[in-house]
Amino acid sequence: AQSVTQPDIHITVSEGASLELRCNYSYGATPYLFWYVQSPGQGLQLLLKYFSGDTLVQGIKGFEAEFKRSQSSFNLRKPSVHWSDAAEYFCAVAGANNLFFGTGTRLTVIP
Amino acid sequence: NAGVTQTPKFRILKIGQSMTLQCTQDMNHNYMYWYRQDPGMGLKLIYYSVGAGITDKGEVPNGYNVSRSTTEDFPLRLELAAPSQTSVYFCASRMDRQTSNQPQHFGDGTRLSIL
Repeated sequence: AQSVTQPDIHITVSEGASLELRCNYSYGATPYLFWYVQSPGQGLQLLLKYFSGDTLVQGIKGFEAEFKRSQSSFNLRKPSVHWSDAAEYFCAVAGANNLFFGTGTRLTVIP
Repeated sequence: NAGVTQTPKFRILKIGQSMTLQCTQDMNHNYMYWYRQDPGMGLKLIYYSVGAGITDKGEVPNGYNVSRSTTEDFPLRLELAAPSQTSVYFCASRMDRQTSNQPQHFGDGTRLSIL
């Protein structure tokens, strides 16, 4: 069965520092992977997705993620974090009819 | 371009009451979903629909019902509200199956408290 693990519940970084959010997935075949961001009181917005091809995918707002099959990982990165990036981030893997979400990582940005 | 619209945004119910959470999308998407989000638990799928007249259960369907009479609308009904149903509910839609190259669009959520 598909599943996603986000091992970090809460991460705090300084503005301008680099960021990496971890995501590990469980899936028998080639996975379709997503990263979503949720600002307080808002729905989820798609940051980026991986379906096939290049293992480094670029998304919106300067985010990127790298698919590593050998590690079953799809970590999200950003070279320089902005205060507006403070939010909750969800990794997800596609099932037959729906998405399986991780439990999320809350990002706090310190000025 | 409204996207996915959910109403109401907030609601407080008493135990045993019933209510319908409304969801409508104007993107002519075939697939629609209802999720609930609980703290520290991510999103869990309640029900989904692959088109008008077709619905199916997700991971946590107990206590809920859905219908899909039109492409645009996918209401979620709670018949006998219970405290365990206190949560934030999200509706989402997409054009085709999850495995196609199409993003899933989310509404802003309905925050429901049952007291």
